[in-house]
Amino acid sequence: DQQVKQNSPSLSVQEGRISILNCDYTNSMFDYFLWYKKYPAEGPTFLISISSIKDKNEDGRFTVFLNKSAKHLSLHIVPSQPGDSAVYFCAASAPEAGNTGKLIFGQGTTLQVKP
Amino acid sequence: GAGVSQSPSNKVTEKGKDVELRCDPISGHTALYWYRQRLGQGLEFLIYFQGNSAPDKSGLPSDRFSAERTGESVSTLTIQRTQQEDSAVYLCASSSSIAGVRFFGPGTRLTVL
Repeated sequence: DQQVKQNSPSLSVQEGRISILNCDYTNSMFDYFLWYKKYPAEGPTFLISISSIKDKNEDGRFTVFLNKSAKHLSLHIVPSQPGDSAVYFCAASAPEAGNTGKLIFGQGTTLQVKP
Repeated sequence: GAGVSQSPSNKVTEKGKDVELRCDPISGHTALYWYRQRLGQGLEFLIYFQGNSAPDKSGLPSDRFSAERTGESVSTLTIQRTQQEDSAVYLCASSSSIAGVRFFGPGTRLTVL
């Protein structure tokens, strides 16, 4: 059972435009969400996060929106740049017995920003 | 080093052989995680170490998989009697605490022929 889903395997946008990456989750106990970016042959790098007590978090060109009622979050990149081309993973965590804080990742969305 | 390092970067092995993957976390990070990513799939949690607590092994797919960590330093992931479905990129991450951001290594690409 996939608790975190990224239904779009790929997205292509023009440089300067907005990129919107979507993520849906099923576990209402998730209380912390993160986005990671991954370039080929490298490990994922942390991009931005949001706590479930917020509905928006902004960091420069990156904004994450959380809609708890819809169990949906999105990452907006404005303006998109060719260097943003990468695979983007959303991840979620929930307090569990033992509180290991393990992250559940989506399948990833490959973003291509065309010059 | 400044980041998480993993070795080897690539490993090709024959079905049935054992393999050992190594992870050097960021110095001072008490939490260490192993994930794997199979082709076309997301990151799959395998195991988690936090300080001297018992590890969370709930993600290990079978008893052929095991991992150890020496104190708050190096960790090794061992896969015994490898199968073709074990082929994946194995990623290690560390963080300064349970709630801390995970810093990932570059991964080890394992190919089982």
